[in-house]
Amino acid sequence: EVQLVESGGGLVQPGGSLRLSCEASGFTFSNYWMTWVRQAPGKGLEWVANIKHDGNEKYYLDSVKGRFAISRDHAKISLYLQMNSLRAEDTAIYYCARVMSGELLAFDYWGQGTLVTVSS
Amino acid sequence: EIVLTQSPATLSLSPGERATLSCRASQSVSSSLAWYQQKPGQAPRLLIYDASNRATGIPARFSGSGSGTDFTLTISNLEPEDFAVYYCQQRNNWPPLFTFGPGTKVDI
Repeated sequence: EVQLVESGGGLVQPGGSLRLSCEASGFTFSNYWMTWVRQAPGKGLEWVANIKHDGNEKYYLDSVKGRFAISRDHAKISLYLQMNSLRAEDTAIYYCARVMSGELLAFDYWGQGTLVTVSS
Repeated sequence: EIVLTQSPATLSLSPGERATLSCRASQSVSSSLAWYQQKPGQAPRLLIYDASNRATGIPARFSGSGSGTDFTLTISNLEPEDFAVYYCQQRNNWPPLFTFGPGTKVDI
């Protein structure tokens, strides 16, 4: 059974940093692109970042470029999102998800999310 | 940047009825469109990918159609558990950047 479990969320002040983790199980992690998607309270879904299965390609939402960094560790079977210079508008539930193999068309498995609150 | 528009914002229906949800892209996305269902307090669940392919374990009452800029998610014979918010999502040709629509809430 595919499982994705996020951790690392919490309350942080504007300008602060936070590192989210996503532990994967039930599939060959190193074969899949992975992604982060966020959802502000009461709002819709917003894609944040992707990382290729080998970690050599990474893509970001324009508003997080230069502030967020996606990475992965195959030995720890984990995905990460390092978030720096956080702003109030980054407040959201952050989900990690697996990108479907093949043409990378959709996200077929999701974690339950971790809440990040940016506030003074 | 491709923008997705969903209509209606809210759809009020009764169990047993048919739901028709629309998603329109600002430019052609070919068939690179997916649909997700999200219930309160839960993560999204993939329903349809590549415009018309049902994801693993998704009941046959969910169907997707369309290509280019206009897409439809149809839920035939609504079950009580189908009342939720539905999002469409497209993938940019390359690089693989993704965009979601604003969602359609299907309520009773």
